[in-house]
Amino acid sequence: KNQVEQSPQSLIILEGKNCTLQCNYTVSPFSNLRWYKQDTGRGPVSLTIMTFSENTKSNGRYTATLDADTKQSSLHITASQLSDSASYICVVSVSAGNNRKLIWGLGTSLAVNP
Amino acid sequence: DAMVIQNPRYQVTQFGKPVTLSCSQTLNHNVMYWYQQKSSQAPKLLFHYYDKDFNNEADTPDNFQSRRPNTSFCFLDIRSPGLGDAAMYLCATSRKLGQLKKETQYFGPGTRLLVL
Repeated sequence: KNQVEQSPQSLIILEGKNCTLQCNYTVSPFSNLRWYKQDTGRGPVSLTIMTFSENTKSNGRYTATLDADTKQSSLHITASQLSDSASYICVVSVSAGNNRKLIWGLGTSLAVNP
Repeated sequence: DAMVIQNPRYQVTQFGKPVTLSCSQTLNHNVMYWYQQKSSQAPKLLFHYYDKDFNNEADTPDNFQSRRPNTSFCFLDIRSPGLGDAAMYLCATSRKLGQLKKETQYFGPGTRLLVL
């Protein structure tokens, strides 16, 4: 069964600290993996997208890693800011012929406190 | 700025009263999606248009319909909303080119639907 699991479910950190969010997936055949940031009451915004051959991708203070062998990904946030408070969702794309299906994780809810 | 626009941001309707949510895009993307997201849950794909081709997810209730009159606009029609249809409805777009592996979906801000 195609599944995406994220941990932790929620996280509270102090402003300026770093944190790492985890994503494990059991998806086949794998096409790509994306991390989205979703602010409360808003639509998701893409942070990074990685294919099978890419093992790291950065977007400002966000760095995503991908280990296709262990089927794990992480999102590292450096020098957190209050505006980083949001839900971070890992989404894995399954390739099925000409179609692709997205398997969504439930997200990690991050709160950055002053 | 190119973007995905959803109106209204908040919609209140009555039980059983038809409601239409709208989405427009200035990205000139050929694929448009509608998702339903309930509290603390992942977005659930309802259907999508690939150009003019409509693709319905197998578990999308018949109560939900969609129209795409042109490239820029897509509508979600809920024929007889029930209390369980209260949710955030997200519109997304993407540019799909054959087997492109890095197709990214761009989401609108969502419309939160309340059913009384």
